[in-house]
Order: sequence, then structure tokens, then C-alpha cells
Amino acid sequence: GAGVSQSPRYKVAKRGQDVALRCDPISGHVSLFWYQQALGQGPEFLTYFQNEAQLDKSGLPSDRFFAERPEGSVSTLKIQRTQQEDSAVYLCASSRGGQGLSGNTIYFGEGSWLTVV
Amino acid sequence: DQQVKQNSPSLSVQEGRISILNCDYTNSMFDYFLWYKKYPAEGPTFLISISSIKDKNEDGRFTVFLNKSAKHLSLHIVPSQPGDSAVYFCAAISNQGGKLIFGQGTELSVKP
Repeated sequence: GAGVSQSPRYKVAKRGQDVALRCDPISGHVSLFWYQQALGQGPEFLTYFQNEAQLDKSGLPSDRFFAERPEGSVSTLKIQRTQQEDSAVYLCASSRGGQGLSGNTIYFGEGSWLTVV
Repeated sequence: DQQVKQNSPSLSVQEGRISILNCDYTNSMFDYFLWYKKYPAEGPTFLISISSIKDKNEDGRFTVFLNKSAKHLSLHIVPSQPGDSAVYFCAAISNQGGKLIFGQGTELSVKP
């Protein structure tokens, strides 16, 4: 597609509910990232895929967070048993290049706005 | 441990004047830097980047300066326009690859 597409754009979840956020990267992009952005803060890294391989998941805040990219294109970020502190914008980004990304521009989607009540 | 810092949360500039947004970093392994612009309810949009082997990169009204010895970069917008009003994020990538590290953002307001 023309850009990184994320769905749903807005999600309200009750505390304890599981949510799944979808990302369609730019076609042909090897690298895919998930970021979490709290209100008034910069995006914080969650996890990184190169094709279907999850090379870095050091930013996932707890084992309630899980991400996958089984065929190396679409990715899903799943949050189990949501809590209020999970309320944030979840941004997906993709890049044409693989490891050693310096020089490759990273393009972001519009984000999925999660509110846990 | 904030590796990329934008110490000014907000900046207000008159239309037609220069806007200067600043960013400091602590990790000497960073070798590529990017600026993103973000409007409310939208994702960050890539604006301009610079490699650590350069000290300046210019694209139209936007120029990024890099001072490696001071671990400091800045984004200059001239002339500033009301449509430039947005939050600007500085970001960096290490030469070991992988993730972008973002600053906290600076909200620019350009007044007509």
C-alpha cells in the first residue's frame, strides 16, 4: 500500500480485556517496528521485526504484550488482560532496509489509540 | 536513562522568522539522526535526516545541523509558516542497527 496502515484507529477496552492491534506495513518493507506513545511523551520502542523474525523485543513492558509477524508482512500486537496504564497510542512503523538501518527512512502509521477503562 | 533529549517542551515563533529546535544525545554509538513532525491524531511524519559523517543537511526551508563533539543537533525552519505548527521529535539510530530512540518532543507554534 501507499503507507503504513493500522487498525483499529481507536479502541476502548475494559480493564482485563484482551486487545489485538493490526499493522500493514508498506509493501516490500523488510523492517517493522512497534512503538508506544503516552500522552505528552515521545514514542517508546516496543519491538522490532526483520521479515518474520522478531529480532528485538526488549521494549515490551510485560509478558502481557506479545507481537507477531508470521509471514513477514502484516503484524499484530496483542495485549492481554489490559490495564489502565496500557492506555496510549500504539504506533507501527516500517522501513525498506534490514539490520543496520542507518540511512533508511522509517515511516509511521497513524497509530491505534487505546483507552483502557 | 533518556538518551535523546529535547529540553524545550514548547516554542513560539512569529510567522516569517526562524524556528530553531534543539536536541541533545548521550550515546556516541548513534550515527544517524532524524526529525519527525507530528500533528494531533496523526502518526509522526518524516521530515529530514542527517548522517553522522555530515554536519549539515538542507531540504528547502528545513536544515539540520549536527555537532558531534557536543552531541547536539538542531533543526532550523526558515521562514516559519503557520502550517509548521506541530510537535517535532528528534530521533537517533545506533550504528549497531535496530530501533529509533526518540526525544520527548517540542511543540512549535507559529503565529501569523
